[in-house]
Amino acid sequence: GAVVSQHPSRVICKSGTSVKIECRSLDFQATTMFWYRQFPKQSLMLMATSNEGSKATYEQGVEKDKFLINHASLTLSTLTVTSAHPEDSSFYICSAEGASTYEQYFGPGTRLTVT
Amino acid sequence: QQPVQSPQAVILREGEDAVINCSSSKALYSVHWYRQKHGEAPVFLMILLKGGEQKGHEKISASFNEKKQQSSLYLTASQLSYSGTYFCGTEDDNDMRFGAGTRLTVKP
Repeated sequence: GAVVSQHPSRVICKSGTSVKIECRSLDFQATTMFWYRQFPKQSLMLMATSNEGSKATYEQGVEKDKFLINHASLTLSTLTVTSAHPEDSSFYICSAEGASTYEQYFGPGTRLTVT
Repeated sequence: QQPVQSPQAVILREGEDAVINCSSSKALYSVHWYRQKHGEAPVFLMILLKGGEQKGHEKISASFNEKKQQSSLYLTASQLSYSGTYFCGTEDDNDMRFGAGTRLTVKP
């Protein structure tokens, strides 16, 4: 069964609004979570690395004020897309990693459409 | 909907070969392969598009059989640096999904 969940799976929002995406590890404690976005037929693009209790590390070119990441607990990380625009429409995926090398899973993804 | 990867784990001696399989129940238009080491983000290995192509990168290659909705990753003459968890990601018309991963350990 799934060990990393994402919510919502799909969301449509209007331009200018904010959207929060949750990533949860269901049966292990995720010390690190990664956030990605993916465009059709292209590879994952790492946006940021999130460690529990500390600030996320953003990849070059990713606006940290636009993509707010919070990793408040060992089982939950959130990505908030602020003031969303149509160009933010994408597939957002998280992966979660525990202390063990055997705890490493991708979430099912969230399809964001900004109208 | 999640692609199925096999085997779940494999242990090799340096120089040995391995094959990792990925299958889906849905019609696909691409398959991605990534390798992830603990504490690091996944590293993109290759993407295979609809059309039944095969790709290679040094001693790592992959094939995609769109009719069977299957892809295989071939690692030849494995090196210690190949150790990690390998994920396949499958794209269809609506979504991208990842397999549960194959843990590959290469020993000296």
